[in-house]
Amino acid sequence: DAGITQSPRYKITETGRQVTLMCHQTWSHSYMFWYRQDLGHGLRLIYYSAAADITDKGEVPDGYVVSRSKTENFPLTLESATRSQTSVYFCASSPRQGADEQYFGPGTRLTVT
Amino acid sequence: GQNIDQPTEMTATEGAIVQINCTYQTSGFNGLFWYQQHAGEAPTFLSYNVLDGLEEKGRFSSFLSRSKGYSYLLLKELQMKDSASYLCAVREGRGSTLGRLYFGRGTQLTVWP
Repeated sequence: DAGITQSPRYKITETGRQVTLMCHQTWSHSYMFWYRQDLGHGLRLIYYSAAADITDKGEVPDGYVVSRSKTENFPLTLESATRSQTSVYFCASSPRQGADEQYFGPGTRLTVT
Repeated sequence: GQNIDQPTEMTATEGAIVQINCTYQTSGFNGLFWYQQHAGEAPTFLSYNVLDGLEEKGRFSSFLSRSKGYSYLLLKELQMKDSASYLCAVREGRGSTLGRLYFGRGTQLTVWP
């Protein structure tokens, strides 16, 4: 089915482990984004990408790494997970700059113990 | 940076009208979005304003005053299914940063029968 998907939907990991969250979209949208959502903070941008092989930092990039070798995929890696990275992570995409809305994936709930 | 402020909670009854306000401070305003987010789900797009004035879309309308750094979302003929969090998001920037959104913390609306 077309759209934007995230995997896994739920993940529990231990402090210090590396974790990769996957995001896949079938629309061939140019722009992709990673957000985290925490109580009291709302949605905050971690990284975004304007096209394959083009990425840039958002508001809270520390501790995260992204790559975009293919237009449809935008994985987010936590190199050494910390408890403060316990959050709900949303991936989003949009076709271009301008008035275009962002389409959000269903989210990944990550718990770091 | 930016400072996006919206009420934390609001309540209303079915059939009523509710107005959710959003104020913002930004150095490079380039559009304002409203998203709806039901509990445990992804945000979904409601409206977009870049010029001053009112945008109407069915039961939902959104207003923008750029000089005042102010927007509101107006929901008419409230239904139980409108119970959700409403997120105000400001797009800021030029060039490579165009397209990045900064979100408020959201307004949790509860609609009572």
